[in-house]
Amino acid sequence: EAGVTQFPSHSVIEKGQTVTLRCDPISGHDNLYWYRRVMGKEIKFLLHFVKESKQDESGMPNNRFLAERTGGTYSTLKVQPAELEDSGVYFCASSPIDGYTFGSGTRLTVV
Amino acid sequence: GNSVTQMEGPVTLSEEAFLTINCTYTATGYPSLFWYVQYPGEGLQLLLKATKADDKGSNKGFEATYRKETTSFHLEKGSVQVSDSAVYFCALSRSGTSYDKVIFGPGTSLSVIP
Repeated sequence: EAGVTQFPSHSVIEKGQTVTLRCDPISGHDNLYWYRRVMGKEIKFLLHFVKESKQDESGMPNNRFLAERTGGTYSTLKVQPAELEDSGVYFCASSPIDGYTFGSGTRLTVV
Repeated sequence: GNSVTQMEGPVTLSEEAFLTINCTYTATGYPSLFWYVQYPGEGLQLLLKATKADDKGSNKGFEATYRKETTSFHLEKGSVQVSDSAVYFCALSRSGTSYDKVIFGPGTSLSVIP
């Protein structure tokens, strides 16, 4: 079974630019989550999809972040415009019923 | 609100040393507790979990016991190896199901030297 795949693994962009992160969950997993770890701090929840619907987006930091999940399959997280404080590692996870599987993360550096 | 506190790192140990990473939590109700590990260049992996008081989670020689009276879930291993070098995250999930978001501690970096 393929795991959760995230693209790209690393991204370096300038402040003010746009970046789109992608997550491909395990096939058949209805639940998809985004988390991020900023500046070596704790990993924080961003949002939760159930299929294509946003179940909980209470962790989204501001309106510069936009998450979508097309047809309940892969998900994208767009940051526009990126700010320096957005630098960190963005993790995606998917889940059927019991237990999460996390991706390797996307390391985003905003300079 | 719900939160997780764990000992600050980095922690450096010699091979075969005993490891303890302290973790305490604050939560309403009866959360499930987890330890996740991130090896260099890899994603987060579930190391072990416990879903109710006095449960002991164990995996790869690591153990942690859910202590409700002290709201703790300390991670222990009797003899660490170089391959255990990683970042360890204590975490909780409020409702105990995978539908609920996971709340993580700040992580503890462990380096094991030969």
